[in-house]
Order: sequence, then structure tokens, then C-alpha cells
Amino acid sequence: DGGITQSPKYLFRKEGQNVTLSCEQNLNHDAMYWYRQDPGQGLRLIYYSQIVNDFQKGDIAEGYSVSREKKESFPLTVTSAQKNPTAFYLCASSIGRRRDQPQHFGDGTRLSIL
Amino acid sequence: AQSVTQLDSQVPVFEEAPVELRCNYSSSVSVYLFWYVQYPNQGLQLLLKYLSGSTLVKGINGFEAEFNKSQTSFHLRKPSVHISDTAEYFCAVSGNTDKLIFGTGTRLQVFP
Repeated sequence: DGGITQSPKYLFRKEGQNVTLSCEQNLNHDAMYWYRQDPGQGLRLIYYSQIVNDFQKGDIAEGYSVSREKKESFPLTVTSAQKNPTAFYLCASSIGRRRDQPQHFGDGTRLSIL
Repeated sequence: AQSVTQLDSQVPVFEEAPVELRCNYSSSVSVYLFWYVQYPNQGLQLLLKYLSGSTLVKGINGFEAEFNKSQTSFHLRKPSVHISDTAEYFCAVSGNTDKLIFGTGTRLQVFP
């Protein structure tokens, strides 16, 4: 079955440490997205990529970095510059730049500070 | 710029009762509208979408939504809820950008 796989499901970060969240999709989608979810705030866009080797900042990109070296993969690094990283992180994908196409989501990674 | 407002952060309801989750949007261009459901510690799952045509859209799990352009609303309804419908529901709009704008969510709590 096609889908989006996020790993790990739970992740703990120490002060001053960078951590990387994995997102892999086998839907053959061109576009991929990273969202941060905090209670009561809905989903906020961190970064998105419409094509391999290209990505754009979303609304809350500070303290995060991404890469898109392969169509299937869009890892997110939470750097030490992100002072409040505790949140639920969701990866999504869609069929390119078509506004009528829904996004498909992974099951998320919950990041906490030790 | 587009925006989405979900007017109720929580909606408690008894099993087998009807429910309506409200969603209003603002946009200066034509929009596409979506409802997603999120069960605890999971990702979002598409319930239904409005692209064009009939304003009454049917989705999975017995949900439906009505697009009302004059009131800029896209309310989600179900005539009879089950315990298993307890979840968080998100309304989202896609307008003139390549981003999807989400509301802040409505938590539906179904009681026996």
C-alpha cells in the first residue's frame, strides 16, 4: 500500500542538540510538506518542497532545516536554534502544485525535550 | 490572503445525536475546501472535499458538508454520531497559493 512513513514515532532532544525527523513517501508525489502541531493552534507550515532539490520556507521556518535530495524523502532537522521544539510534527505530500489535490499525511513524530 | 475560522474548539454530543461542526473561510478568489479528521496520536485523514459542482458533498464515515458561497461557510454534519467519531476535525482551504490553510480544529467528544 502506498503511503507516508514518519520515523521515529517518539523522539527526545537534549539541550543544544540537533535532531532529524524522517519522512518517506511511496505515492510518487512531487510535493512534500512539514507541519508543526501544538494544542489549540492547528497546523503551522514549516517548510515545503514542490520538486527535488528545491524547497521554500513556510510560516515558522526559523530553527528548522530541510533537504530534498530524492523525490521520496524530505527529512526535517530541528536545530538547537529552535528554542521551543516540543510539538507533534506531521509530514504530508500531494500531487504537485495543484490546488484541488488533497494532502496525504503520515502518522507524525512527537518531539520532546529532555 | 486566505483564512479559516472554526468557531467551536470543542463540541460535546451524545451518541446517536446529530452534530454540526462549523467552518468559515475568507478568500478573495475561488477556493477548494477540505475537512480532515485526526484520531489521537495519528496523522490527518481526508474526510471530504469541495472542488466545484454540487454544494452538498458526501464523505467517508457518514459525514457530509455543505458549501455556502454567500456565507463563506463549509459546515460539516453527521445525522447520528458514534463513539468512534470522537476525534479532532480540521477544516482547510486552498486558494490562490500552493499552500493549504488549516483552521485551529474542533474536538468532537461523543458520550455514551
